[in-house]
Amino acid sequence: DAGITQSPRHKVTETGTPVTLRCHQTENHRYMYWYRQDPGHGLRLIHYSYGVKDTDKGEVSDGYSVSRSKTEDFLLTLESATSSQTSVYFCAASSADQPQHFGDGTRLSIL
Amino acid sequence: ILNVEQSPQSLHVQEGDSTNFTCSFPSSNFYALHWYRWETAKSPEALFVMTLNGDEKKKGRISATLNTKEGYSYLYIKGSQPEDSATYLCAPSTGGFKTIFGAGTRLFVKA
Repeated sequence: DAGITQSPRHKVTETGTPVTLRCHQTENHRYMYWYRQDPGHGLRLIHYSYGVKDTDKGEVSDGYSVSRSKTEDFLLTLESATSSQTSVYFCAASSADQPQHFGDGTRLSIL
Repeated sequence: ILNVEQSPQSLHVQEGDSTNFTCSFPSSNFYALHWYRWETAKSPEALFVMTLNGDEKKKGRISATLNTKEGYSYLYIKGSQPEDSATYLCAPSTGGFKTIFGAGTRLFVKA
């Protein structure tokens, strides 16, 4: 949707391993977001970015870090994955005052 | 952090029924409210952006109203169709780009 690509789309990994999810956008949106989707919780904001190298924490940021070295790329890293981080992760991007455009999601399973 | 409540959590209706859902949010520091539609196995898509008290938006059979003074928005669907089956998310914000999503109302429309 609106040029938002997430990779990988699916990943299975083991507890304690590092994991990086990538979000790439082609529309030059200033703002980018990482959410996780869990049953009964809807979408919860992990981290967001309001410009290159400008990021801030969301509701559920513990155990996650992000980086944005270019406008088009927003990376989400789990330094040491835990089973509680098994979830579906969505990336989104927007321009000021506009709705967010979402990627297709990454299904992450941590065993 | 905004406390966003959506009701009901789920709703089962027959084809042709009209229905409505509620999104409640703190009225202080309100900036904008977004409604999204989220079909199973897809990513959320924006329906409306609402900013002014008394705003009414319409898109086909779907419409929404906004009351910023009391902190609520209603989403209406007239003559529900099976293809309306989805989760409807509201997302108020206190700033231009950071939004907090409600848990959503899941609508099931039976043919």
